[in-house]
Amino acid sequence: GAVVSQHPSRVICKSGTSVKIECRSLDFQATTMFWYRQFPKQSLMLMATSNEGSKATYEQGVEKDKFLINHASLTLSTLTVTSAHPEDSSFYICSAQLQGDSYEQYFGPGTRLTVT
Amino acid sequence: LAKTTQPISMDSYEGQEVNITCSHNNIATNDYITWYQQFPSQGPRFIIQGYKTKVTNEVASLFIPADRKSSTLSLPRVSLSDTAVYYCLVGEGDSNYQLIWGAGTKLIIKP
Repeated sequence: GAVVSQHPSRVICKSGTSVKIECRSLDFQATTMFWYRQFPKQSLMLMATSNEGSKATYEQGVEKDKFLINHASLTLSTLTVTSAHPEDSSFYICSAQLQGDSYEQYFGPGTRLTVT
Repeated sequence: LAKTTQPISMDSYEGQEVNITCSHNNIATNDYITWYQQFPSQGPRFIIQGYKTKVTNEVASLFIPADRKSSTLSLPRVSLSDTAVYYCLVGEGDSNYQLIWGAGTKLIIKP
């Protein structure tokens, strides 16, 4: 089956620094990737939709200048949390959508970000 | 981390009760079971979460046997709008961190 990886799986950074999270579709091409955030005891929240070669579409309330998304190829999307603060500590999950199939999304294992 | 196994797809008809079973043989003591629903090109939507026995909310019921190695999501009186992919997830504690996402079950409701 389709596999999506994320790197790193866990990261701890200091307040004010930037962190980059990578999302890769390992054995398929994904024109669309999604980024989610999940706080404790809450369900996933969609942050943005990332389309290869174009600007990401951000959900309401998500700051595009703070959460930079780059989808430079059909197998890689990156999320950069800029000037991170403790309230950005969360679990970030990406998913990749198979080309031509609107139902099939494959999720990465997630990245736990802790900002100290 | 516990891996889950679900049927790839299921069909049913409007008004019927639909039961989707998920296997999670390696579930750990601290793991909770959570189900998500996902419509095309949208993020997953939380449906229900449980640890053991039965949990019911306004949209579904979740049945978990004593050994917790499986769980069944029950959707009462489905409608066409319930056509979606349903994900069963097993996570550490009740924070839903460290989840293994499977391929989900594609449920198609017919008129």
